[in-house]
Amino acid sequence: SYVLTQPPSVSVAPGKTATITCGGNNIGSKNVHWYQQKPGQAPVLVIYYDTDRPSGIPERFSGSNPGNTATLTISRVEAGDEADYYCQVWDSSSDHYVFGPGTKVTVL
Amino acid sequence: QVQLQQSGPGLVKASQTLSVTCAISGDTVSSNTASWTWIRQSPSRGLEWLGRTYYRSQWFSESAVSVRGRLTISADTSKNLVSLQLTSVTPDDTAIYFCARAKARRGTYYFDSWGQGTLVTVSS
Repeated sequence: SYVLTQPPSVSVAPGKTATITCGGNNIGSKNVHWYQQKPGQAPVLVIYYDTDRPSGIPERFSGSNPGNTATLTISRVEAGDEADYYCQVWDSSSDHYVFGPGTKVTVL
Repeated sequence: QVQLQQSGPGLVKASQTLSVTCAISGDTVSSNTASWTWIRQSPSRGLEWLGRTYYRSQWFSESAVSVRGRLTISADTSKNLVSLQLTSVTPDDTAIYFCARAKARRGTYYFDSWGQGTLVTVSS
């Protein structure tokens, strides 16, 4: 089955940029979606189709998927961005949705 | 705006059946453009997709290999809800269960609306 990898944690100072990576075999050929989950809450979609942002999600959130690694970037980080972030793809070989293990973003 | 409201018991005994329902508002369970999905989350498994049901002139249901044979996802069009049943549960099935709507504008589906989650504990 398809496996996604993410760093367990990322720490960032307020106002700086947080970069969260998502790795997988030939991930550039897949659509990558990103979710934010705060403690005790359901995940919220923040980026879909690698780069698209749902309405209501700040422009500070952006994504890319140029080839070997997909990336979620949070610019001008705020305290409210502290959460777990998950990437997700569709694995066509197994017909399964697959999530990454998640990255905990800590705002210093 | 789509809202998904989950309900179900929080405690189930091992070997019994786990059931959670998800009431949908702002969309219809028989939508031709959405699928209704169950996902669970536990410390050991992380976020795990369990299965989905969707209507495309007829009903389809699919489940993950990890729960295949134990999982039933069904839709009730009269009540506009989707249900999950997981049989022969073990403590390893202890998790937060989420329903979610999956949509696609192009390519693959993404989960744009989620229920609040139901913590289900399986006691031995």
